[in-house]
Amino acid sequence: EPEVTQTPSHQVTQMGQEVILRCVPISNHLYFYWYRQILGQKVEFLVSFYNNEISEKSEIFDDQFSVERPDGSNFTLKIRSTKLEDSAMYFCALRGGYEQFFGPGTRLTVL
Amino acid sequence: DQQVKQNSPSLSVQEGRISILNCDYTNSMFDYFLWYKKYPAEGPTFLISISSIKDKNEDGRFTVFLNKSAKHLSLHIVPSQPGDSAVYFCAASEDQGAQKLVFGQGTRLTINP
Repeated sequence: EPEVTQTPSHQVTQMGQEVILRCVPISNHLYFYWYRQILGQKVEFLVSFYNNEISEKSEIFDDQFSVERPDGSNFTLKIRSTKLEDSAMYFCALRGGYEQFFGPGTRLTVL
Repeated sequence: DQQVKQNSPSLSVQEGRISILNCDYTNSMFDYFLWYKKYPAEGPTFLISISSIKDKNEDGRFTVFLNKSAKHLSLHIVPSQPGDSAVYFCAASEDQGAQKLVFGQGTRLTINP
């Protein structure tokens, strides 16, 4: 089972500020995903990233969001100008075999 | 657009008995199904999966059953243990798991001693 860590575990920010959430896989992977879960709701897909390119994105993933692998290992999700409704748990996932394995998540709180 | 539905928000089961969690889906293109277990403030933990070419997959105390004609799958846990208390999510994917996961709303399972 692939291991992945996420930093920070909790991020508090003011509305309109930029945040960068990081995903650090323990070993090399080609498939990365970002999901989020608003409190009390189901886990929602944001974006998938394969071979250093976005392969699919959801309606949620608008121009305020971007993903990249800045150094070939870390995988980041950037929200340029946060809104109150961006408050959620954000999960990075890796593909191992046919399954996706999730990181512990980053709790984003937008005030 | 609820392509994956878990109609029971909660389930309470006696320790040692069987827990059965249900999930329905509407998208005929789904060909891979997964169950995840989740504790508060943690990421979903993969439990067990099943491909659409099978109707049953077993792993220890966990068994997943798939009924493609009914577009229904279920997770059986037997015997249930107190540590099984968590929220269980059903998820589905196209292209043998390569595509995005579509999650159900989750079922909170409580195992009573």
